[in-house]
Amino acid sequence: KQEVTQIPAALSVPEGENLVLNCSFTDSAIYNLQWFRQDPGKGLTSLLLIQSSQREQTSGRLNASLDKSSGRSTLYIAASQPGDSATYLCAVRLGNAGNMLTFGGGTRLMVKP
Amino acid sequence: DGGITQSPKYLFRKEGQNVTLSCEQNLNHDAMYWYRQDPGQGLRLIYYSQIVNDFQKGDIAEGYSVSREKKESFPLTVTSAQKNPTAFYLCASSRRQGIQETQYFGPGTRLLVL
Repeated sequence: KQEVTQIPAALSVPEGENLVLNCSFTDSAIYNLQWFRQDPGKGLTSLLLIQSSQREQTSGRLNASLDKSSGRSTLYIAASQPGDSATYLCAVRLGNAGNMLTFGGGTRLMVKP
Repeated sequence: DGGITQSPKYLFRKEGQNVTLSCEQNLNHDAMYWYRQDPGQGLRLIYYSQIVNDFQKGDIAEGYSVSREKKESFPLTVTSAQKNPTAFYLCASSRRQGIQETQYFGPGTRLLVL
């Protein structure tokens, strides 16, 4: 069964710092991997989606990489801002599981002004 | 405004009571999903539906039931058989199963037991 782990569970950084969030998964037969943002008490917003054939995706200050063979993905946030404070979740879609996603536990990020 | 709405935002359940959480979407999406999120944890799939009048159990379906009588609506009932219902419930939808389609999420319903 696919298991997804995110480390660290919580992270606090000063504004302006570059940071990396980690996601690992046990079954490398994934269709794609997605990073979401969740604000407290809210739903999820999709940030980046990486197909299994891709190595990375970029959107603004965000860059997500994927190393399928080692079962790892990273989300890089450049020049962090207080508005980046949220929980970041990664989710993988197995190749044979239709559109079902398996989520990690999330990393709770706080960016201090 | 296209999107997914969930109601109510907060819901209280008494012992032995069934409660129903509403999920509506006007995105013309075929597939809909229900997830449960416990504090500090990721989302776990309860039920999903690929098309009207069809739905499948997810990883933690026990104590829950759903219906899909209309494309726009996918209500979730938390039955008295669910012994630990306190959680944040999220509904999502996507255009199709088995295709690279992002799931769009509603704002969630927080269920509390009195």
